[in-house]
Amino acid sequence: DAGVIQSPRHEVTEMGQEVTLRCKPISGHDYLFWYRQTMMRGLELLIYFNNNVPIDDSGMPEDRFSAKMPNASFSTLKIQPSEPRDSAVYFCASKKGTSVYTDTQYFGPGTRLTVL
Amino acid sequence: TQLLEQSPQFLSIQEGENLTVYCNSSSVFSSLQWYRQEPGEGPVLLVTVVTGGEVKKLKRLTFQFGDARKDSSLHITAAQPGDTGLYLCAGSGGGADGLTFGKGTHLIIQP
Repeated sequence: DAGVIQSPRHEVTEMGQEVTLRCKPISGHDYLFWYRQTMMRGLELLIYFNNNVPIDDSGMPEDRFSAKMPNASFSTLKIQPSEPRDSAVYFCASKKGTSVYTDTQYFGPGTRLTVL
Repeated sequence: TQLLEQSPQFLSIQEGENLTVYCNSSSVFSSLQWYRQEPGEGPVLLVTVVTGGEVKKLKRLTFQFGDARKDSSLHITAAQPGDTGLYLCAGSGGGADGLTFGKGTHLIIQP
C-alpha cells in the first residue's frame, strides 16, 4: 500500500487567497483525521471523519476552515481566506477502526503551508 | 481540555548515554501512544500502552504507563545517532477519538 497521500507537499500563497489541501487515506480505513502542527502549539486535531461523515470539528479554528470527504478515498481541507497565522504543516491520518491495539493511525507526509 | 506536557523540550546527548523523557497530564487517558517524527515526515507510531503500570520494551526503548494512567515515560538505553528525532506522546479518550498530542521532545544524539 502507498500509505496516506497528501498533496501538495508545499504550498506558498498570499494572504487572502484560497488554499485547498488534499488527502487520500489508506484503502479500507474508515477514519480520517486532519491535524495541524506548529512550533508554538504542537500537533492539534482539527477534524475527523468516520465513513465520510464529520464526527468532531471542534478543533477547526475558524469559519475560514472547512473540510469535506466526498468519498472514502478523498478528503479536502480548505482555508478561505488564508492568513499568515495559518502557516503550519497540515497532516492527514487514517485508521481502520476503534481497537486501541490494532488500529494504528497512519500519518501522511504533510503539507507545509506558508501564507505571506 | 486534556493537555499533555512533555519534558524536556530539547535534549542533546552523546552516543552511548541513557536518557528518559516524560509525558504528564492532569487527565486520565484510556490509552497513550508514543510516536517518533523525522523532519519532513509524519509521526510514526512506536508503541501503545493501555493498562496502568504497563511496561513495554522495543529493543533499547522502554515505555511505561503510570499507575493512574495520567503519565508516561520513554527511556532509551545506549542512545545512537539513529535515535535522533522528535518524540511525541499522544493520549486517547477512547475508541474513535482523535489524539491529543504533547508538543514533543526534540532529541539529538551526537556521535
